[in-house]
Amino acid sequence: AQSVAQPEDQVNVAEGNPLTVKCTYSVSGNPYLFWYVQYPNRGLQFLLKYITGDNLVKGSYGFEAEFNKSQTSFHLKKPSALVSDSALYFCAVRDRGGGGNKLTFGTGTQLKVEL
Amino acid sequence: DAGVTQSPTHLIKTRGQQVTLRCSPKSGHDTVSWYQQALGQGPQFIFQYYEEEERQRGNFPDRFSGHQFPNYSSELNVNALLLGDSALYLCASSLGELRLAGNTIYFGEGSWLTVV
Repeated sequence: AQSVAQPEDQVNVAEGNPLTVKCTYSVSGNPYLFWYVQYPNRGLQFLLKYITGDNLVKGSYGFEAEFNKSQTSFHLKKPSALVSDSALYFCAVRDRGGGGNKLTFGTGTQLKVEL
Repeated sequence: DAGVTQSPTHLIKTRGQQVTLRCSPKSGHDTVSWYQQALGQGPQFIFQYYEEEERQRGNFPDRFSGHQFPNYSSELNVNALLLGDSALYLCASSLGELRLAGNTIYFGEGSWLTVV
């Protein structure tokens, strides 16, 4: 069964500093990987995805993520954090073989960006 | 371009009652799935509909059922509500056949269900 781990419940960073939100995954084959962001009392917004190809994926709002197959990781990064980036971030994996919409999510990481 | 829309946004039900949640997928999308997000947790996959049929199902009891209409919209029904069913219910949509698993999945704002 596929699974995702987000080892940090919360990440604190000062505005203007780089940020990293960690994610590791476990799947039987090659994964599709996604990052979503959730603002308070809202739904999930798509940030970026890794399907194949370049291990560095660029997404919305200046976010990027690095796929590392040997470490089974897909960490979310941003060179310079903004206070408005404060939100709940979810990493998710999708079964490449089965297709469909079944995403398996991590437990989420709360990002807090302070002035 | 309308995104995924869900209704109602909030509702309160009593234990034992039944609830129906509704979802319209993003324009052009034909595949709809439903997720349950309990407070402080990540979303959990309930099931997916494509061509008006349930194609995949997560680890949820038969009290959870759904339907997809010819216009691709969908309903989630939950019978015999329990206190533990209180959660945010998210609808998600994407385009394409099941094999196009690389397609982006877009989520709605969700329906907050409180069971008292």
